[in-house]
Amino acid sequence: GAVVSQHPSRVICKSGTSVKIECRSLDFQATTMFWYRQFPKQSLMLMATSNEGSKATYEQGVEKDKFLINHASLTLSTLTVTSAHPEDSSFYICSARDAIKLFFGSGTQLSVL
Amino acid sequence: AQSVSQHNHHVILSEAASLELGCNYSYGGTVNLFWYVQYPGQHLQLLLKYFSGDPLVKGIKGFEAEFIKSKFSFNLRKPSVQWSDTAEYFCAAEGAGATNKLIFGTGTLLAVQP
Repeated sequence: GAVVSQHPSRVICKSGTSVKIECRSLDFQATTMFWYRQFPKQSLMLMATSNEGSKATYEQGVEKDKFLINHASLTLSTLTVTSAHPEDSSFYICSARDAIKLFFGSGTQLSVL
Repeated sequence: AQSVSQHNHHVILSEAASLELGCNYSYGGTVNLFWYVQYPGQHLQLLLKYFSGDPLVKGIKGFEAEFIKSKFSFNLRKPSVQWSDTAEYFCAAEGAGATNKLIFGTGTLLAVQP
């Protein structure tokens, strides 16, 4: 069945560095992918909607220059956390929909030291 | 291994019928549990969550879920569904510790016929 692959699953980085997270749809094409983040003891928060071939749509309060999204192909969307700081430490997860169902990546736990 | 399973992949109900969607989890230690919904053309929304306390949790739009620790279950219920409940429903779990890796079930497509 359709699968969404997210990589890496866990990353630890120094403050000030940039981190790229990949989200791939396997076996299906996804014109739209979603990026979420979750803080401890809270629910998922939508960060942005990634549209293939066009600019991502960001939710209110999400910094576009901080969280760069590139959806260059129908099977790949990337989220780059630029100049990461400890407050960016969180769980990030992507999702993509085929013609019928929504699938989630396995998530990325980002820890910024 | 940590996992969340949803037994019903596709459910079709008539309006006013009662709904129960199954969710079981496999997790070492204390867990936090969630039900999310995605309506057609929209992004995920939180229906309800359980962290601790009363195992019967009430959420938005008349939904509720019961945490049964002995059965590792967190089933979603609604006494009387409406056509507007047509959506995809996801159960999710995370460890209650500092590392909040959220794991989703495969989802249940609910179609409510008027």
